[in-house]
Amino acid sequence: GAGVSQSPRYKVAKRGQDVALRCDPISGHVSLFWYQQALGQGPEFLTYFQNEAQLDKSGLPSDRFFAERPEGSVSTLKIQRTQQEDSAVYLCASSQDRFRTNYGYTFGSGTRLTVV
Amino acid sequence: GNSVTQMEGPVTLSEEAFLTINCTYTATGYPSLFWYVQYPGEGLQLLLKATKADDKGSNKGFEATYRKETTSFHLEKGSVQVSDSAVYFCAFPSGGSYIPTFGRGTSLIVHP
Repeated sequence: GAGVSQSPRYKVAKRGQDVALRCDPISGHVSLFWYQQALGQGPEFLTYFQNEAQLDKSGLPSDRFFAERPEGSVSTLKIQRTQQEDSAVYLCASSQDRFRTNYGYTFGSGTRLTVV
Repeated sequence: GNSVTQMEGPVTLSEEAFLTINCTYTATGYPSLFWYVQYPGEGLQLLLKATKADDKGSNKGFEATYRKETTSFHLEKGSVQVSDSAVYFCAFPSGGSYIPTFGRGTSLIVHP
């Protein structure tokens, strides 16, 4: 597609519920990133994929967070047993480069997760 | 380690005023530098970039110059508009790695 698409746009989850957030990157983009953006803060790195390989998951805050990109295109971020501190906007970004990039990153509009 | 420091906001200006948002970075080597903008309720959009020292990135009247000596990439605009009200983020892929590091963001509010 023309841009990075994320769904749902908004998600309200009860504490303890599992959620799945979807990211459709730009077609052909090799790199895909997930970020977590708390209110009033800059995006914080969660995990990085190069095609289907998850090369870095050092930013995932706990083992309740899991991400996959099985065919090297669409990615899903799953949060199990959600807690209130998981409330944030989850951003997905993609890039045509594998590593260092001079092209910048294209971001989706994000999924705003509210855990009640 | 690698980091980005932005001036704290909010920055409040009247329309047509001059804007500067400071950004300094700590990194290994000389990475490409970026400014992103986030309008209310939207995702981040790439505003401008500079790929090497002394490069000037520009877009929509905004400019930023890659200053190697001062490790800075300050964002400037000569005459802001109400529509420029947004949050601005300085960012770079950290040194030899690929992970984009973002500043905390600076909120800009422009009054008519």
